Amino acid sequence: GESVGLHLPTLSVQEGDNSIINCAYSNSASDYFIWYKQESGKGPQFIIDIRSNMDKRQGQRVTVLLNKTVKHLSLQIAATQPGDSAVYFCAARTGANNLFFGTGTRLTVIP
Amino acid sequence: SAVISQKPSRDICQRGTSLTIQCQVDSQVTMMFWYRQQPGQSLTLIATANQGSEATYESGFVIDKFPISRPNLTFSTLTVSNMSPEDSSIYLCSVGGTYNEQFFGPGTRLTVL
Repeated sequence: GESVGLHLPTLSVQEGDNSIINCAYSNSASDYFIWYKQESGKGPQFIIDIRSNMDKRQGQRVTVLLNKTVKHLSLQIAATQPGDSAVYFCAARTGANNLFFGTGTRLTVIP
Repeated sequence: SAVISQKPSRDICQRGTSLTIQCQVDSQVTMMFWYRQQPGQSLTLIATANQGSEATYESGFVIDKFPISRPNLTFSTLTVSNMSPEDSSIYLCSVGGTYNEQFFGPGTRLTVL
């Protein structure tokens, strides 16, 4: 199986600053990782993914970094906006299609 | 990504009754999944809904409690049977994407009294 954890349950940042959300996983066989954003009352929204053969991937204002040596990944959000306020989940896949989700970090953006 | 809808969006049910949740996708997908998200917590996979065969359940979830149907490649249902207050959760369906990602529906918020 897989155990996925997040380093901080809550994170507050000033609008315009960069946010970094961290995640640790336990199974070195995990080969695929996804970050999701969940706003209140909604389902999780896919943000960005990364495969284990990569250590960095960039999207629009977001970057995911993967360190397989220490089994750690992070989500960086540039120029954080009030609309970024949500709970962020990392998820890891090991082998089959099943995803194991972390406990979530609540990001609050302070205007 | 596919557009996923769920019905009902929320419901309040009495203990001992059953509720069937529907998940509809706007395109054919091979993989569909059902998750539970208890209040303030993360997502736990209940089962993989297989088209044309029985669902594959995760440890801790059984077919008698959570029967699943998958009659075609765009639709699935999850029934929560003989409900108790502990079943109060958000139930989410997801579909597999082209590259192993999963996309989620809006969820069904269930409260059992």
